[in-house]
Amino acid sequence: GAVVSQHPSWVICKSGTSVKIECRSLDFQATTMFWYRQFPKQSLMLMATSNEGSKATYEQGVEKDKFLINHASLTLSTLTVTSAHPEDSSFYICSASEQGPKETQYFGPGTRLLVL
Amino acid sequence: GDSVTQMEGPVTLSEEAFLTINCTYTATGYPSLFWYVQYPGEGLQLLLKATKADDKGSNKGFEATYRKETTSFHLEKGSVQVSDSAVYFCALRDTGRRALTFGSGTRLQVQP
Repeated sequence: GAVVSQHPSWVICKSGTSVKIECRSLDFQATTMFWYRQFPKQSLMLMATSNEGSKATYEQGVEKDKFLINHASLTLSTLTVTSAHPEDSSFYICSASEQGPKETQYFGPGTRLLVL
Repeated sequence: GDSVTQMEGPVTLSEEAFLTINCTYTATGYPSLFWYVQYPGEGLQLLLKATKADDKGSNKGFEATYRKETTSFHLEKGSVQVSDSAVYFCALRDTGRRALTFGSGTRLQVQP
């Protein structure tokens, strides 16, 4: 099946710094990528939808200036957490899909962020 | 808005026991329904799906039937194995949307 990778798998940073997380589709072209956030023992919450070559669409309540998303190519999307604070500590998961009638989302393994 | 409710875990079973994980949903349109599985250290993988009422999704011995009248999509397996130990997520994709709405996940632990 299709593979989606994320890098890094975990990161610890100081409060006030920025962190970039990469999401790559390894063997297919992803016209759309999704970024989710998961809190402990809770469901995945959609943060934003990004389409290659256009601006991301953010869900209500998600600060676009805080969580910068870039989808510059059909195989790479990045999420940058700017001026990170301890409350941004979470598990960030991306997924990627090809466009089509049998569209399936393929998920990355996630990135655990801890902000000190 | 859309929502998915799953039974809380963890669910602990002995090998070869029967498994049911309940899932109910609310949606504004005519959603497609999914079960995803997450093994330790790995990303979510699609386990099975159903796109319309009365459809049955099945894979690897797991089954779930799309019940519109009860807005449910319960996951079942007749005989679980230790290798089935994982977290299971129920999800939906509503009409006109590409993103998924997830339940909170149910951890399954199968003991030898």
